Amino acid sequence: DQQVKQNSPSLSVQEGRISILNCDYTNSMFDYFLWYKKYPAEGPTFLISISSIKDKNEDGRFTVFLNKSAKHLSLHIVPSQPGDSAVYFCAASGYNNNDMRFGAGTRLTVKP
Amino acid sequence: NAGVTQTPKFQVLKTGQSMTLQCAQDMNHEYMSWYRQDPGMGLRLIHYSVGAGITDQGEVPNGYNVSRSTTEDFPLRLLSAAPSQTSVYFCASSYSSQGYTGELFFGEGSRLTVL
Repeated sequence: DQQVKQNSPSLSVQEGRISILNCDYTNSMFDYFLWYKKYPAEGPTFLISISSIKDKNEDGRFTVFLNKSAKHLSLHIVPSQPGDSAVYFCAASGYNNNDMRFGAGTRLTVKP
Repeated sequence: NAGVTQTPKFQVLKTGQSMTLQCAQDMNHEYMSWYRQDPGMGLRLIHYSVGAGITDQGEVPNGYNVSRSTTEDFPLRLLSAAPSQTSVYFCASSYSSQGYTGELFFGEGSRLTVL
């Protein structure tokens, strides 16, 4: 069963606009939520995370929002840049990393 | 700083052949793991290790073996390759195996095709 779901396989936005990537999860025991970014022919790299005791975490142009009641999180990128074009994976983890589950990914394309 | 290094980057096998994907990290991380990435499936955990001499199964362990004789190395063995094991494999590590270990550091991946 897929405990972490990213229902949008792709997203295209114009440079300078906001990108919003969404993620839903089913397991209420998840405590930490992470976003990874992946370029072609490279491994995923960590982008930003949030713990279940918070509802927002910000790092420069990247903000993650968590809605625990809806079991939903989102990643906002403002302003979007062409270099942000990549596949973004949402991940969720319990207390131990062996519980880290990943979504299928969303391919973001930022057009100049 | 090399981080997590995987070899080979590409491999083609015939059904029934065996091979080992190598993974090494130079960050003195306790936790190491192997994931496979398939279209529409995200990254799925195959096996993981919380320290030298300790390994355990993840979501999709069948057909794979691992061992952890040193902190640095965590090889993944396919004993008898099957076409269903065609995938991109990622090795990952993190600082600690105790409690929440934070983000994973990934290698560049190994693309395996089984004919």
